[in-house]
This record gives sequence, structure tokens and C-alpha cells, in this order.
Amino acid sequence: QVQLQESGPGLVKPSQTLSLTCTVSGVSISSGGYYWSWIRHHPGKGLEWVGYIYYTGTTYYNPSLKSRVTISVDTSKNEFSLNVRSVTAADTALYYCARRKGYADFDYWGQGTLVTVPS
Amino acid sequence: QSALTQPASVSGSPGQSITISCTGTRSDVGGFNYVSWYQKHPGKAPKLMIYDVSNRPSGVSNRFSGSKSGNTASLTISGLQAEDEGDYYCSSYTSSSPLYVFGTGTKVTVL
Repeated sequence: QVQLQESGPGLVKPSQTLSLTCTVSGVSISSGGYYWSWIRHHPGKGLEWVGYIYYTGTTYYNPSLKSRVTISVDTSKNEFSLNVRSVTAADTALYYCARRKGYADFDYWGQGTLVTVPS
Repeated sequence: QSALTQPASVSGSPGQSITISCTGTRSDVGGFNYVSWYQKHPGKAPKLMIYDVSNRPSGVSNRFSGSKSGNTASLTISGLQAEDEGDYYCSSYTSSSPLYVFGTGTKVTVL
């Protein structure tokens, strides 16, 4: 069974870098065929797609975040990571990692991890 | 890119049918058959319920169905059950930034 699990600090100071890791089990990231994504949910607001990575390292980011975001993959550990630089309170959100199966559907998600950036 | 518009809440009695709408534009919902629906329970991972407008993943009850007309997609839950309570989000591919857009979310309450 495919499972995704986010991990990382729950509190990040303003101007610092938010770093999260998603550990994948039940499927090998290097098997290909899927895009591994980060999606965040701001408190009281909607969901926002952050970006995705393919096992080859090919990435695609939300243009509104592109200048501050890096997604990387470690196939040896079967995990992928998210870095968001120069964070502000606006980056406070529940961060999910998810697998994109088809053209635009995310079939497996982690439970999410709350990251708070104090104002 | 604006979020897709969903009603804030929908309710129904057990056994009834309810429909959740998801309104976008020609650049997203209306332009592509790539609309998905997700169910979210507190503390749990979102669950894919419908993909590509009307397809159900394996294991999802056939009480859930999806459709689309113009710029509006819909999720119908038939034979409403207590376990269907939760938040539901639609999503669509979009030809404009940022590639994927989500709905504002709908809270489903079983009376």
C-alpha cells in the first residue's frame, strides 16, 4: 500500500528556510510514471499547489513561489523534499506531499504537517 | 489564478442525494476534462474520490459520481451516509498559472 509521510519542523522563524521531507513507502519513486508534489493549505483558505518533481529531477513550480522554492528527490532514500526560502507569516500552512497519478489527479496524500511562521 | 468556487456548505439527510458544484472558467474546468474531487476528514489525508471529471478510483463507492457542464463541475453523493461527512475539494488542471487550481472547499453535513 502506498503511503506518504511528511516530516520537518513545525515552527520556522521569519526570513529563514522551511524544509520538509516526504518519505514514500509502498512504491519506488524511481519506478517512474508519477510526479511527486507538494500542496499547502492556508488556514481558513483554499489549497495551493506548490510544485512537483519527477524521479529524474525534473521540476515544475507554482510561478508565484518559484523564486523561493526548491523541490529535490533522493531516490536512494525514496523520499523527496521541499525548501521554501525567506519565509513570512503568509507561508504558514498545512503542507501535504502527494503523488500525481494521471494528468491532474493526486491519488495518494500524506496526512499533512503544520508549519507556522510567526508574524 | 483564482480558486474554483464551491458552496461553503451542503447538507442532507441519510439516504438523500446531494450535489456539490465547482465553478471555474474556460481556462480550467471548462477547457479540460481534468477535474478531480477530494474528501477530507479531520486529521486524515485527503482522499481522491473522482478524477478526470467522472472516473472513480478503485475502492471508491459508486454512490459518488462526477459530471461537468460548461465551466461547472459537480460531485453527487447518492444515498448519503454519516461517514460522508467532511470537507470536499475540487481541483482542475489550468492552462494558466499555476497549472493546478483547487476549489474553496465544501463542508458536507449529514443531518
